Amino acid sequence: DTEVTQTPKHLVMGMTNKKSLKCEQHMGHRAMYWYKQKAKKPPELMFVYSYEKLSINESVPSRFSPECPNSSLLNLHLHALQPEDSALYLCASSQDGTDTQYFGPGTRLTVL
Amino acid sequence: LAKTTQPISMDSYEGQEVNITCSHNNIATNDYITWYQQFPSQGPRFIIQGYKTKVTNEVASLFIPADRKSSTLSLPRVSLSDTAVYYCLVALLSGGYQKVTFGTGTKLQVIP
Repeated sequence: DTEVTQTPKHLVMGMTNKKSLKCEQHMGHRAMYWYKQKAKKPPELMFVYSYEKLSINESVPSRFSPECPNSSLLNLHLHALQPEDSALYLCASSQDGTDTQYFGPGTRLTVL
Repeated sequence: LAKTTQPISMDSYEGQEVNITCSHNNIATNDYITWYQQFPSQGPRFIIQGYKTKVTNEVASLFIPADRKSSTLSLPRVSLSDTAVYYCLVALLSGGYQKVTFGTGTKLQVIP
C-alpha cells in the first residue's frame, strides 16, 4: 500500500474561519511533508516532520500551523487566511526523510 | 540547492518515444535525481530516481551522464494518458532530510 490520503478534497473558507487539513499514511513512513501549489506552478515545500518532530519550516506565515499527532497523521491548521492562500495543498510521506516521497491527492483550498 | 532547468513544454504523437532533458549544473555529490509526473489537480507521482548512468523501470528510463550535470527521462511509446507535467528534481539531503525543490516542470502533450 503506497497510499497517502488527504481530507477534505475541497475546502472553502472565509478569512475569519478556522479549519484543518488532514493527511494520513499507513506505510510506516517516519517523515511527512506539506506542500503548497498554486495554479500552473510547481509545488513549494512548507513543512517537514521527521519522527513526529518539526524539522523544516520554510518561513511559512504563522496562520499556517502544522501538527503531527502520531507517525501516521499530519494536520495543517488554518486560521485567518488570505485569498492569496488559495491553492492545492499537498501532503507527502517518505520512509525516513531521505527516500522517495509519496504524495496524496491534495486538498483544493479556496479562501473567500 | 541545485536548480533544475527543463523545457516548458513538449508535444509528441502517440506511440513515439519521448525524451525530456533536465539540466542541473550545480548538482552536489550527495544529490539524487528524481522525476515525478503530475496530472491536473492531483498529487505528483514518483516515476524514477537515479544517481548515475542508467536506471530503468516498468514505465521509464533515466539516463545520467558521467558529469551528472544533466539527465534525460525517456518514456517509451507514449499514449494519451501520459499527457501531464513532468518534474525533474535534485534532492538535497539537509540535516538528514530530503529538501526537495521542484523546478518549473515540462508539460507534455501527447497528440493522437
